[in-house]
Amino acid sequence: AQTVTQSQPEMSVQEAETVTLSCTYDTSESDYYLFWYKQPPSRQMILVIRQEAYKQQNATENRFSVNFQKAAKSFSLKISDSQLGDAAMYFCAYIGAGTYKYIFGTGTRLKVLA
Amino acid sequence: KAGVTQTPRYLIKTRGQQVTLSCSPISGHRSVSWYQQTPGQGLQFLFEYFSETQRNKGNFPGRFSGRQFSNSRSEMNVSTLELGDSALYLCASGMGHGSYEQYFGPGTRLTVT
Repeated sequence: AQTVTQSQPEMSVQEAETVTLSCTYDTSESDYYLFWYKQPPSRQMILVIRQEAYKQQNATENRFSVNFQKAAKSFSLKISDSQLGDAAMYFCAYIGAGTYKYIFGTGTRLKVLA
Repeated sequence: KAGVTQTPRYLIKTRGQQVTLSCSPISGHRSVSWYQQTPGQGLQFLFEYFSETQRNKGNFPGRFSGRQFSNSRSEMNVSTLELGDSALYLCASGMGHGSYEQYFGPGTRLTVT
């Protein structure tokens, strides 16, 4: 069975600094997709970034980028120039192509310090 | 485009009752997924529907069921409610073919007393 592990329950970062959130996964599938979602306090889940397993190039969306290491089954999220609005729970998610069964990690709570 | 909407937003039920939650996807989206979110278990996948067909389901008892209508709106039903069913129930919609991105609704907070 596929699993997603986020080993950092909580992280803190100073405003304007850079922080990296870790995610590892386990799968025997060859075609899959990975996502990072953000859930601000009392607000709804927002898609941050996605990565297709067949793409070697790491995805980037403005201040958010990933470090996708397929062989190591690692998918970390880097947030540059952290802002107060980045404070949220961040979830890593996996889905095998054609399965339509999404698996989420337990989340990392990110605090941004002014 | 309007986002994913879920109704009701809050619900209080008594143990043993049943409940129906509703989800309207983003216009054009044909896939709807449901999740249960609790502090202890995190986000647990319930099921996914596409064009009125359930394509996959998570490891939940048969008390949890769902359906999708021809307009892609979806409902989930929980029968014989237990205290442990208290959770935030999230719905997410997506295109459902070729793209695996999901867009979440605000959730329905269910409290079972």
